[in-house]
Amino acid sequence: DTAVSQTPKYLVTQMGNDKSIKCEQNLGHDTMYWYKQDSKKFLKIMFSYNNKELIINETVPNRFSPKSPDKAHLNLHINSLELGDSAVYFCASSQGKEFKALFFGSGTQLSVL
Amino acid sequence: AQKVTQAQTEISVVEKEDVTLDCVYETRDTTYYLFWYKQPPSGELVFLIRRNSFDEQNEISGRYSWNFQKSTSSFNFTITASQVVDSAVYFCALSEAFYGGATNKLIFGTGTLLAVQP
Repeated sequence: DTAVSQTPKYLVTQMGNDKSIKCEQNLGHDTMYWYKQDSKKFLKIMFSYNNKELIINETVPNRFSPKSPDKAHLNLHINSLELGDSAVYFCASSQGKEFKALFFGSGTQLSVL
Repeated sequence: AQKVTQAQTEISVVEKEDVTLDCVYETRDTTYYLFWYKQPPSGELVFLIRRNSFDEQNEISGRYSWNFQKSTSSFNFTITASQVVDSAVYFCALSEAFYGGATNKLIFGTGTLLAVQP
């Protein structure tokens, strides 16, 4: 049983397209995240949701829109994809209180051509 | 501002050598947590350890050990008798309290690529 699962694992698309990445966790956590890992492996938070409420929006372009239909799901929709959006996107979850560890999905490698 | 520095970009060792990965952090918080994650070549991020700022005891888990020293703001990670399967990028991270603790924002270092040669 995968704890944090995200799909697809690979996404290759053309500039200007719109795409979505889905994430689900079965850990019973109440907080979910999107992180971006660039080509130099640097990991940076994009968004955090706690019980479906947006908590962190880390100056991400508004072409990126997260959606949390329930606390077990956090999807990421990206409009008008640009070359610079190419990266690995990681979904993660944690139990919100007391600085609990984040558990990450396996990542989605997005390539914008 | 919160910051994590992993000065070692790449380390290469031969199997069975011991290796220490350095992590230095900056924070103004009195309560904070530190983490290590492993990213093997397959790409997933694997949680290794979490320590809070009030617990400076060293931790050992099999071949892995961690040395936390508040006086030097360091949280170093040592692998004893390294193996090829230890080859990965290792990230140190610092938590930043947010929204009354309802979420845990991790500030990651830039990672250290460890290559263990057979």
